[in-house]
Amino acid sequence: DAKTTQPPSMDCAEGRAANLPCNHSTISGNEYVYWYRQIHSQGPQYIIHGLKNNETNEMASLIITEDRKSSTLILPHATLRDTAVYYCIVRVGNNAGNMLTFGGGTRLMVKP
Amino acid sequence: GAVVSQHPSWVICKSGTSVKIECRSLDFQATTMFWYRQFPKQSLMLMATSNEGSKATYEQGVEKDKFLINHASLTLSTLTVTSAHPEDSSFYICSARDNRYDQPQHFGDGTRLSIL
Repeated sequence: DAKTTQPPSMDCAEGRAANLPCNHSTISGNEYVYWYRQIHSQGPQYIIHGLKNNETNEMASLIITEDRKSSTLILPHATLRDTAVYYCIVRVGNNAGNMLTFGGGTRLMVKP
Repeated sequence: GAVVSQHPSWVICKSGTSVKIECRSLDFQATTMFWYRQFPKQSLMLMATSNEGSKATYEQGVEKDKFLINHASLTLSTLTVTSAHPEDSSFYICSARDNRYDQPQHFGDGTRLSIL
């Protein structure tokens, strides 16, 4: 699976949009971009995933560049409860047998 | 949405005892489940891949005789830490993926294991 690079930490003001970048310059054509987050002492929570088109759900938006070498996770109105470590993971296909490889992630701190 | 239940959420036991952790997919079937371990201030590390009806696949450096995995049904996988020692103290997390097409993996809330 392609390696991802994320900033180790970011701050965001409560109520503002949080934009979390991820570089995956070696991504292959059949690899998806997944985002998970882990709130302290809990298991990771699925947020969103995409292949090449931008995606939006009730939690966030995922913007993937046209060359697919980077992406941005957008939390439109960050709240204190969004404070967590956010992981960007690139993985081949949708095969149920493919495990997720976690990197260091970005520690997002939402401040009042 | 999809729910993965992990039990117990925390356990404290004496060195030398064995501890069993259960991972259940509550509203979907999962042929494959995964077991991760996370030490403080570190990321999740995959320990093994659990396949229903067959032997688990272990990552390099993980002792299969120490971390016994059983995946007897499409909704249940168990991890048994045998003869646990203080260095096995960690946060153990399972995940499962819905067998249906294009579904993400979902994680349990983890089990915090402390060996005295």
